[in-house]
Amino acid sequence: QVQLVQSGPAVKKPGASVRVSCTASGYTFTSHLLHWVRQAPGQRLEWMGWIHTGNGNARYSQKFQGRVTIIRDTSANTVYMDLTSLRSEDTAIYYCARDGAGYYLDSWGQGTLLTVSS
Amino acid sequence: SYVLTQPPSVSVAPGQTARITCGGRDIGTKSVQWYRQRPGQAPVLVVYDDSDRPSGIPERLSGSNSGNTATLTITRVEAGDEADYYCQVWDSSSDHRNVFGTGTKVTVL
Repeated sequence: QVQLVQSGPAVKKPGASVRVSCTASGYTFTSHLLHWVRQAPGQRLEWMGWIHTGNGNARYSQKFQGRVTIIRDTSANTVYMDLTSLRSEDTAIYYCARDGAGYYLDSWGQGTLLTVSS
Repeated sequence: SYVLTQPPSVSVAPGQTARITCGGRDIGTKSVQWYRQRPGQAPVLVVYDDSDRPSGIPERLSGSNSGNTATLTITRVEAGDEADYYCQVWDSSSDHRNVFGTGTKVTVL
C-alpha cells in the first residue's frame, strides 16, 4: 500500500533553516507529483508547493517563494523540503502528500512538527 | 487570490444529516476535493472531483458542486464522523496554487 514516511520533529531558532524529508513506498515514485502542506496550530491547511518527481521541476506558493525549495532523490524515493529564514510563525506541522493525478491529495505522510523558538 | 469559505462549525445528532458548504467564486467550474482530519491525525481524502469517493470511503459521504457553492453531505452521521473537514481546489488562474478552505468542525451531539 502507499506509504509516505516523514522525518522526525525539529526545533530551530529564528533565522535558521530546516530540511524535512518524505520517503515514499508502495507505488512508482516518479509517477506522481508530491506536495507539501503545512498547518499552524489551530489553523487551516496551507499549500506550500509541489515537485514533479519525474523531472524534478517544482512550483511554489507565492507566499513561500524564495524561502522554500523542494527537491527529490529518485534513488531513495525521497522528497526534501527546505525552508530558510525561519520565524516563529513557521511553527507548524508539515505534511507531504501524494497527488492522485488530478491535483487531489490521496495519500499523506504522518506529519512533521517544526517548532521555531529562541 | 482565490478564497474558499466554510462555516466554522456544524453540529448534528447521530443518525441525522450534516451538510458542509464551501463557497468560492464560480467554484462550480472547478474540481473540488474534501478532506477529513480527525484530532491529531493527518488529513484523509474523502471526496475528489466534486463527487467521487476513494476506495474505503462509505457512500454516506457524498459531494456536489454548482454555481458558487460546493457541498459535502454526510448522511446517517456517526460518532466517528466528528472531525474537521476542508474543501480544496486547484486555482490554475493564480500561480498554480492549491487552495484550501477555512475548515469546518463537525460535532456529533
